[in-house]
Amino acid sequence: DAKTTQPTSMDCAEGRAANLPCNHSTISGNEYVYWYRQIHSQGPQYIIHGLKNNETNEMASLIITEDRKSSTLILPHATLRDTAVYYCIVRVVYSGGGADGLTFGKGTHLIIQP
Amino acid sequence: SQTIHQWPATLVQPVGSPLSLECTVEGTSNPNLYWYRQAAGRGLQLLFYSVGIGQISSEVPQNLSASRPQDRQFILSSKKLLLSDSGFYLCAWNRAATNEKLFFGSGTQLSVL
Repeated sequence: DAKTTQPTSMDCAEGRAANLPCNHSTISGNEYVYWYRQIHSQGPQYIIHGLKNNETNEMASLIITEDRKSSTLILPHATLRDTAVYYCIVRVVYSGGGADGLTFGKGTHLIIQP
Repeated sequence: SQTIHQWPATLVQPVGSPLSLECTVEGTSNPNLYWYRQAAGRGLQLLFYSVGIGQISSEVPQNLSASRPQDRQFILSSKKLLLSDSGFYLCAWNRAATNEKLFFGSGTQLSVL
């Protein structure tokens, strides 16, 4: 899996949009960008993933640059419950068979301030 | 719907004692199963994964072993715990032969004293 670079920590005011950057300059054409988050003492939770196009779901939006070397996860209206470590991961697309455990880095510790 | 169960939630064990952590998945068949460990203040480390009954792959050599006696059951074991085995252990699953996301259990906080 390609390596990703994320800031160690970020603060965001409650109710504002939280924008979490991720650099993945060595990403390959067949690698997706995945985002997970881990609230303290819980298992990681899937947020969103994408390949080339921007994606949006009920939790967040994912903006991927045209050259795919970086991406931004956007939480549109952050709440205190969004305080967590956010992991950006890139991995190849598996066309069949085998297991594909993710490699988690240290992520970004997002702190939502009241 | 699919669910993953992991127990116990917390465990305190003396050095040299055995370990058995269990994980079960419901609502799916033939899942890929994974064991991760997270040491204090560090990222998640993949320990073992399994693509089927009796099929175990180890990512790192260590004092631990894994077994998959049934399709949806994954067990993490040790014969003699070390202090360095302390950490937060997470079981996860995803659908085989796809690029689907991982679903994690709630974790076991293991303290070896």
